[in-house]
Amino acid sequence: DAGVIQSPRHEVTEMGQEVTLRCKPISGHNSLFWYRQTMMRGLELLIYFNNNVPIDDSGMPEDRFSAKMPNASFSTLKIQPSEPRDSAVYFCASSSVQETQYFGPGTRLLVL
Amino acid sequence: GENVEQHPSTLSVQEGDSAVIKCTYSDSASNYFPWYKQELGKRPQLIIDIRSNVGEKKDQRIAVTLNKTAKHFSLHITETQPEDSAVYFCAATLSGYSTLTFGKGTMLLVSP
Repeated sequence: DAGVIQSPRHEVTEMGQEVTLRCKPISGHNSLFWYRQTMMRGLELLIYFNNNVPIDDSGMPEDRFSAKMPNASFSTLKIQPSEPRDSAVYFCASSSVQETQYFGPGTRLLVL
Repeated sequence: GENVEQHPSTLSVQEGDSAVIKCTYSDSASNYFPWYKQELGKRPQLIIDIRSNVGEKKDQRIAVTLNKTAKHFSLHITETQPEDSAVYFCAATLSGYSTLTFGKGTMLLVSP
């Protein structure tokens, strides 16, 4: 079992640039979650999908953030345009109906 | 919605001592309570979980207790070791609802 896969693992970009984070959930899991973690705000749920459908995006900070899940094995989180305050670790997690969420290794984003 | 409070925010113990981390939740309907351990620079990883139909669960040096009446649950680590040093997160959810509500985390430091 490969676990949740995220790419890239590290991203350094300049303010105003578009950033795309990618996630491959565990095969057979039907729920996918995007989290953001910072020292100040802790672990925040941004959006979650169930069977590829966005269910709750109330945690998405603003219109600069968007997420898609075109199929059961792939999701993207896009930030356009990026800002320094978006610097954080972004985690993707997946789960099956048993609720246990398994996290990916995260993408460490730095926006200069 | 659900609200999870976690205490203490930091905890320092000597190797071999026990450590206890406590969480309270607000939604009496919640019935699934996982605990995650996050080492520095790593992903959160599930270490133990409990469902509301049991009051206690053990796994070697780790145990979790649940008091549904008081709406609180606790993580107990016995015979602590330096490798237990990490941030621990509690979480709560209503089974089938998928979204976990996380506590703010407890930084545990075990000194040799």
